[in-house]
Amino acid sequence: QVQVVESGGGLVKPGGSLRLSCTASGFAFGDYYMSWIRQAPGKGLEWVASISSSGNILYDADSLRGRFTVSRDNAKNSVYLQMSSLRAEDTAVYYCARTPSIAAKTFWFDPWGQGTLVTVSS
Amino acid sequence: SYVLTQPPSVSVAPGQTASITCGGNNIGSKSLHWYQQKPGQAPVLVVYDDSDRPSGIPDRFSGTNSGDTATLIIRRVEAGDEADYYCQVWDSSRDHHVFGPGTKVTVL
Repeated sequence: QVQVVESGGGLVKPGGSLRLSCTASGFAFGDYYMSWIRQAPGKGLEWVASISSSGNILYDADSLRGRFTVSRDNAKNSVYLQMSSLRAEDTAVYYCARTPSIAAKTFWFDPWGQGTLVTVSS
Repeated sequence: SYVLTQPPSVSVAPGQTASITCGGNNIGSKSLHWYQQKPGQAPVLVVYDDSDRPSGIPDRFSGTNSGDTATLIIRRVEAGDEADYYCQVWDSSRDHHVFGPGTKVTVL
C-alpha cells in the first residue's frame, strides 16, 4: 500500500543539527512532490518545506529559511529534512507527506507518515 | 500572507450534521483541502480540491467552497468522527502551503 515512514527524530541540544529521513513505498516516488509538516505539542499543523518530483524546485516556510533544507534521492525513494541551529521552539512531531497536485496549481498532502518527534532541549 | 480562519470548536449530536467553516479572502478562488486528525494519530485527508473524496473516505464527508468561506460537512455524525479538522490551501502568490488553525469536533 501507499505509505511513507519517517525516521531520525530524537533529543538534540539547542544549536544542534539533525537530519530526518522519509522513505516511501507503494507508489511512483519520482512522480510526486514531497513535503514536511510539523506539529508542536498541543498545537496546529505548520508546513515546513516541499520539494518537486525531480528535486529542482524547493519551497520552504519563510520563518525556517536558512536553517532547514529539504532534499530527495529518487533512487532511494527518500526525502530528507536537514535541520540546523535548532531552537526549543522547533520541538515538534515532524510529518512527511506525499504531495499530489493538479497541474502544479494546487497541492495537498496524502498520505502522511506516522511522524517522528524532535525534542530540542539542553 | 494568506490567512485561514476556523472556529475553535464545534459540537454535534450523533446522527446530526456538523458544518466546519474555513474562512479566507476570496477562498472560493482557491482549491481547498481538509484533514482529520484523531488524538495521537497522523492527519488523514478527507476532502481535496474543495469537494472530492479520497478512496476509503465515507460519503458522509463533503465539502463546498465559495466566496470567502469553505465548509466541510459531516452528515450522520458518529462518535468516531470526533477529531481535529484542518483546512489547507496552496497560496500560489507566495508558493506557500497554509493551514487553518484547526477545529475540534466534539460528538455529544
